[in-house]
Amino acid sequence: GQQVQQSPASLVLQEGENAELQCNFSTSLNSMQWFYQRPGGSLVSLFYNPSGTKHSGRLTSTTVIKERRSSLHISSSQTTDSGTYLCAWIASSSFSKLVFGQGTSLSVVP
Amino acid sequence: AQTIHQWPVAEIKAVGSPLSLGCTIKGKSSPNLYWYWQATGGTLQQLFYSITVGQVESVVQLNLSASRPKDDQFILSTEKLLLSHSGFYLCAWSPRGGEDTQYFGPGTRLLVL
Repeated sequence: GQQVQQSPASLVLQEGENAELQCNFSTSLNSMQWFYQRPGGSLVSLFYNPSGTKHSGRLTSTTVIKERRSSLHISSSQTTDSGTYLCAWIASSSFSKLVFGQGTSLSVVP
Repeated sequence: AQTIHQWPVAEIKAVGSPLSLGCTIKGKSSPNLYWYWQATGGTLQQLFYSITVGQVESVVQLNLSASRPKDDQFILSTEKLLLSHSGFYLCAWSPRGGEDTQYFGPGTRLLVL
């Protein structure tokens, strides 16, 4: 089954509204990472967040390890926030294996 | 600052033709390197990883191969493309012995006809 579940699959916001994106993991969480995927496909790392809460501008990531979940909060959305948000579970091993969720497609309209 | 470069930016290839995609990382010695693939509308999947020159491990079998001829170079290739190879290929690196966080290149879009 899917090891990383993201919700919602898609979301449409009016500019200025807030959004809460969820990521749930089926296995024990070692660490996780949030990415923004531009419409052209390239990835931008938003947060490396193994636990707790991290802030970056209008973005906040909160990871609760024992509940195997992480959330990404976007406040005061802007049209430039449109795109796909991906979360990935980072398996602990001799290398960094990322297992991605299917993504949340966000569209912010004026 | 570290930079990661992928080439080509995009390719259109015929089924059965060979493929070679490249990735170089500058400004970081002995990184861990990774190849990812994303079918159109699909989920990103890790294909290969390499922790040192000359050593590559496969994560997912897709009739592709990878090589690391230099510390800063990672190559993805196949002798015969399939229609199912179409998609978006991303190269990434992570610091050896550091955080698990990965940094991604701009990607190569491949269309197999």
